[in-house]
Amino acid sequence: RKEVEQDPGPFNVPEGATVAFNCTYSNSASQSFFWYRQDCRKEPKLLMSVYSSGNEDGRFTAQLNRASQYISLLIRDSKLSDSATYLCVVNGGGGSYIPTFGRGTSLIVHP
Amino acid sequence: DTEVTQTPKHLVMGMTNKKSLKCEQHMGHRAMYWYKQKAKKPPELMFVYSYEKLSINESVPSRFSPECPNSSLLNLHLHALQPEDSALYLCASSQDEAGAETQYFGPGTRLLVL
Repeated sequence: RKEVEQDPGPFNVPEGATVAFNCTYSNSASQSFFWYRQDCRKEPKLLMSVYSSGNEDGRFTAQLNRASQYISLLIRDSKLSDSATYLCVVNGGGGSYIPTFGRGTSLIVHP
Repeated sequence: DTEVTQTPKHLVMGMTNKKSLKCEQHMGHRAMYWYKQKAKKPPELMFVYSYEKLSINESVPSRFSPECPNSSLLNLHLHALQPEDSALYLCASSQDEAGAETQYFGPGTRLLVL
């Protein structure tokens, strides 16, 4: 079983739609969680950290469910510019600080 | 300044060449990372430097040799590479290696090995 799993998609949604991605992780001792966004041929950029209490930044909401070992990202009112690959990153746990990336979920927002 | 810079942006090299990739950050971060990313795949961790010492080597072949001359600079020396080493090489930094820190990525060097 992979340490961090994501549905690669693509998720193909119309502008204005709400879309949600999940990311599951296998190491219950993992300490910190992030969503990064990566545009084609560009570097990953931090979208948001994921806290136990959940956090919201404009149209984006991230949540952590430690009991079921997954994190989620909800995007409301999708824009064309949201089209990108969304990478889940899980850090730490068991004495290891190696950041582990999911394979990414591709989102395509169409007019 | 939340910028990580990398040079060169593009590099084409033959299998007998020696070249170096450079990475620089001025955020006072004490952890720096090298990743390799192939098309449509996530970044794969290669090396981690913490406080200028190599702390993690993810079983990377010796044809890749990292170097951290000081806390702001990270180099990756390349020698006798193979065509399958062609990829995007990303440098990142974080406040430290504590596992809870956000990583900031540079724009990458796109490497082609002929």
